[in-house]
Amino acid sequence: DVKVTQSSRYLVKRTGEKVFLECVQDMDHENMFWYRQDPGLGLRLIYFSYDVKMKEKGDIPEGYSVSREKKERFSLILESASTNQTSMYLCASSSHDRLIPYEQYFGPGTRLTVT
Amino acid sequence: AQSVTQPDIHITVSEGASLELRCNYSYGATPYLFWYVQSPGQGLQLLLKYFSGDTLVQGIKGFEAEFKRSQSTFNLRKPSVHWSDAAEYFCAVGRGSNYKLTFGKGTLLTVNP
Repeated sequence: DVKVTQSSRYLVKRTGEKVFLECVQDMDHENMFWYRQDPGLGLRLIYFSYDVKMKEKGDIPEGYSVSREKKERFSLILESASTNQTSMYLCASSSHDRLIPYEQYFGPGTRLTVT
Repeated sequence: AQSVTQPDIHITVSEGASLELRCNYSYGATPYLFWYVQSPGQGLQLLLKYFSGDTLVQGIKGFEAEFKRSQSTFNLRKPSVHWSDAAEYFCAVGRGSNYKLTFGKGTLLTVNP
């Protein structure tokens, strides 16, 4: 069974802290994604990685960075957390397989609160 | 640019009633379309997808969706809703050649006993 895991379900951090959100997938997928989800706004793409060490900005990259040193792991970094980054963060992965394009598998999410 | 509109923010149905959730998309070529479901506090689970072929696609949990190119819609249906179907539903379309999805803003489904 396919699996995407995220390091924490709930996280509380203080303003100005550096925050790391970790995502691991066991499907040997090439693509990995970080989204944030806010009520009424749906899912918005923060960053995308299509291979190890490769990344691309999504729709709302400001205030975030990412790291992908291994194929199975994709980290989202908040360099200096702010209260407007309080949100649900979702990680997803997908394959380059042309038979199943765009089909993404999601982790359970991390609800981050910045106080 | 691709876009997805889910016109209904919140829908309430009675258990056992039929359900239709609307999805309008904007895309120039043949779209790759998806419906995902998110139970409270959980990640998204794929319900069904359309790539090509038969325009009526079957998914998990008894859901189906119909692709109508002339109307640019991909509406999700279920003949008889169960209380466990209460969740948020997202429609999505594949964006071009770079593996990304564009999501609608979601429809929250409440099921009354």
